[in-house]
Amino acid sequence: QVQLVESGGGMVQPGGSLRLSCAASGFTFSTYNMHWVRQAPGKGLEWVAFIRHDESDKTYADSVKGRFTISRDNSKNTVHLQMNNLRVEDTALFYCVKDQGGGSCGLGIWGQGTMVIVSS
Amino acid sequence: QTVVTQEPSFSVSLGGTVTLTCGLSSGSVSTIKYPSWYQQTPGQAPRMLIYNTNSRSSGVPDRFSGSLLGNKAALTITGAQADDESDYYCALYMGSAIWVFGGGTKLTVL
Repeated sequence: QVQLVESGGGMVQPGGSLRLSCAASGFTFSTYNMHWVRQAPGKGLEWVAFIRHDESDKTYADSVKGRFTISRDNSKNTVHLQMNNLRVEDTALFYCVKDQGGGSCGLGIWGQGTMVIVSS
Repeated sequence: QTVVTQEPSFSVSLGGTVTLTCGLSSGSVSTIKYPSWYQQTPGQAPRMLIYNTNSRSSGVPDRFSGSLLGNKAALTITGAQADDESDYYCALYMGSAIWVFGGGTKLTVL
């Protein structure tokens, strides 16, 4: 079955960096677009970033543009989120999400998330 | 900046029917926004219920349905069950590979 396992979260000081990873299995990873979505403690969902299956398109929420970079390695079935210049307001649970695919539009399968805490 | 709007909270009687909506602060929601709906229970990852306005995700009970209602997207739960008590989020595709979530609706089943 489809599985997404995030890692790389932790505590970091403001201005610091973290690199999140998501290991995918159970589907043909190289043919699916992927997303990162975050959820601050007690708050709602916020879409963060998108990467097309062939890396031909990468997009970001305005709140992270210029600081976060999404990438993928189709040979290793992984997607990454490099987060630089982190702010206190970036504290959140970060979810890796498989796009619905097949010409449909939806954030189909979610991992369990990895927690990022930005604090001095 | 476009904001996706949802009712902050809603309640429904056990066995009753409820319709949650998803709108835009500016403009209308139509099929080209590809509205999708997600259910999240406390401590769990979200689960997609509906995509492409009205397509039900695999394994989702048919008491959940999606539609357009006026200038909004809508999620209707017919015959609400106790375990439908959750937070519900909609997401809209804004074009250019950008998505925006609504603020979520906390549904209480009485």
